[in-house]
Amino acid sequence: NAGVMQNPRHLVRRRGQEARLRCSPMKGHSHVYWYRQLPEEGLKFMVYLQKENIIDESGMPKERFSAEFPKEGPSILRIQQVVRGDSAAYFCASSPDSSDGSPLHFGNGTRLTVT
Amino acid sequence: RKEVEQDPGPFNVPEGATVAFNCTYSNSASQSFFWYRQDCRKEPKLLMSVYSSGNEDGRFTAQLNRASQYISLLIRDSKLSDSATYLCVSLTGGGNKLTFGTGTQLKVEL
Repeated sequence: NAGVMQNPRHLVRRRGQEARLRCSPMKGHSHVYWYRQLPEEGLKFMVYLQKENIIDESGMPKERFSAEFPKEGPSILRIQQVVRGDSAAYFCASSPDSSDGSPLHFGNGTRLTVT
Repeated sequence: RKEVEQDPGPFNVPEGATVAFNCTYSNSASQSFFWYRQDCRKEPKLLMSVYSSGNEDGRFTAQLNRASQYISLLIRDSKLSDSATYLCVSLTGGGNKLTFGTGTQLKVEL
């Protein structure tokens, strides 16, 4: 049973371009969580999605960032007009249920570098 | 004040040593706690859950003190392969939304 799959592993974008990060949850999981880790900092919650719904986006920057989890296909974290400060590791996790309080297991992340 | 606070370290210890990490949390409504391990530039991996009664997994022992809002991790007989950053994590409220500390770096040396 494959774990959470993220791609690409590494993504380089120039300032002003768009970045799209993909996350395929574990089989049977319908809840996806995105976290960001800036250099030398801890992981920070960004957004929590269920299929076709955003449940909690309290950690998302108000501008340029969006996330979706369509009925079919992976969850997408989209960053428009990237700036150098967006350079970070973006991790995704999934769970089968929103309320069981179990720890999350993460994908291997996408490292975004903005030049 | 950060919701989960840890000493960043680094802790440099010789192989075989016993080392303890501490963590405090500010939200008394936090329900569950975990220790994760993160190797350089990799994803965090669950090390163990933390219970009030204390729990042990091999060389690792975790403890939770709700009255003091304090969590600990003890590593006995440390190995070179234990070198990593250890993240203290709390879960608060509905859903599986985790709050991470910034991590404590451990370096085990020969």
